[in-house]
Amino acid sequence: GAGVSQTPSNKVTEKGKYVELRCDPISGHTALYWYRQSLGQGPEFLIYFQGTGAADDSGLPNDRFFAVRPEGSVSTLKIQRTERGDSAVYLCASSPDREGGYTFGSGTRLTVV
Amino acid sequence: QQQVKQSPQSLIVQKGGISIINCAYENTAFDYFPWYQQFPGKGPALLIAIRPDVSEKKEGRFTISFNKSAKQFSLHIMDSQPGDSATYFCAPRVGGSARQLTFGSGTQLTVLP
Repeated sequence: GAGVSQTPSNKVTEKGKYVELRCDPISGHTALYWYRQSLGQGPEFLIYFQGTGAADDSGLPNDRFFAVRPEGSVSTLKIQRTERGDSAVYLCASSPDREGGYTFGSGTRLTVV
Repeated sequence: QQQVKQSPQSLIVQKGGISIINCAYENTAFDYFPWYQQFPGKGPALLIAIRPDVSEKKEGRFTISFNKSAKQFSLHIMDSQPGDSATYFCAPRVGGSARQLTFGSGTQLTVLP
């Protein structure tokens, strides 16, 4: 596609449930990033993929968060045992290589009730 | 995440006026200094960026001024327009293998018609 696609655009889940958030990067972009943006704040880095491997996962807040990119294209961010504090907009971005500028998707707004 | 301090938090400017947003950083390993623009419900979009080997970069109505010794950089929007009303983020990045951007807390700009 022409841009970074994130699905769903909105997700409401109950505390304790498992959720998966999907990111379709721009075709051919080798680098993929996940960020989390809380209301009124700037995005915070979660994880960076170069190809299929997680090159840097230092931003994942705890072991309830996990992300995969098995074929080097689509990525899924997985959150186990969701907590109300996980409520935020989860942003995905891709870039053509290590030095390319980012293109962000519109995000998935996650609400944990 | 106090590595990057952005000011002001909000800014109201008349149409045709100059908008100035400032960013102060602590990490001297930053080597790429972008500004992102974000509209409600959308992801951030790269507006303009500068490398530390130059002190100023201009693209249309947007200018970045960079002061390496003071560890500050600023965004100037000339002839501000109502369509510029958005949230602006500075988001410097460390050089080398690190890829994540470190976002400021954002400046909400309102340009009055």
